[in-house]
Amino acid sequence: DGGITQSPKYLFRKEGQNVTLSCEQNLNHDAMYWYRQDPGQGLRLIYYSQIVNDFQKGDIAEGYSVSREKKESFPLTVTSAQKNPTAFYLCASSSMGQGAYEQYFGPGTRLTVT
Amino acid sequence: DAKTTQPTSMDCAEGRAANLPCNHSTISGNEYVYWYRQIHSQGPQYIIHGLKNNETNEMASLIITEDRKSSTLILPHATLRDTAVYYCIVRRYSGGGADGLTFGKGTHLIIQP
Repeated sequence: DGGITQSPKYLFRKEGQNVTLSCEQNLNHDAMYWYRQDPGQGLRLIYYSQIVNDFQKGDIAEGYSVSREKKESFPLTVTSAQKNPTAFYLCASSSMGQGAYEQYFGPGTRLTVT
Repeated sequence: DAKTTQPTSMDCAEGRAANLPCNHSTISGNEYVYWYRQIHSQGPQYIIHGLKNNETNEMASLIITEDRKSSTLILPHATLRDTAVYYCIVRRYSGGGADGLTFGKGTHLIIQP
């Protein structure tokens, strides 16, 4: 069954701790993305990657880091430098070229930092 | 990318057609119109996209005006499961690159029983 998995669904952390969110896809997509969503708002792009070992900053990359060591995996680390980390985090993937904007999304991870 | 304007919310009776408008008056010739929806607390789902011609798939139809300044997403027989936030996004095809999407606040469609 092809798709995108994100884990965990809910995550709780204390302020000052780094936390890593998992994203895996078995769709054989080259491109992967991380978005953040705050209550009542649309999605904002954090980072994206078009190929293994390469990634680009999105609109709100400050306080986040990513890696892309395997095509299937694109973990996101929320660092202690992120001022307002509590949010709903969504991972997506797509093919390149004309399919690039038909993105497939995972179920999301809801992070709460207190 | 062109800016889009959508109503904040809409109601539709179950079984009727839901028509969701989107204004993109500054759209340029090489920009596509994409529609996604997001059911509460889930990831967004791609619905349909188009450039100039009207498009139809198993989920919906997309009607783009001749001047391309606006479009309408049509869900032909709305069900309660179609209650969601619907996002209209205009994006230029960048010839190979995949650099993410910009989601506004969308339209909250509520299907009434």
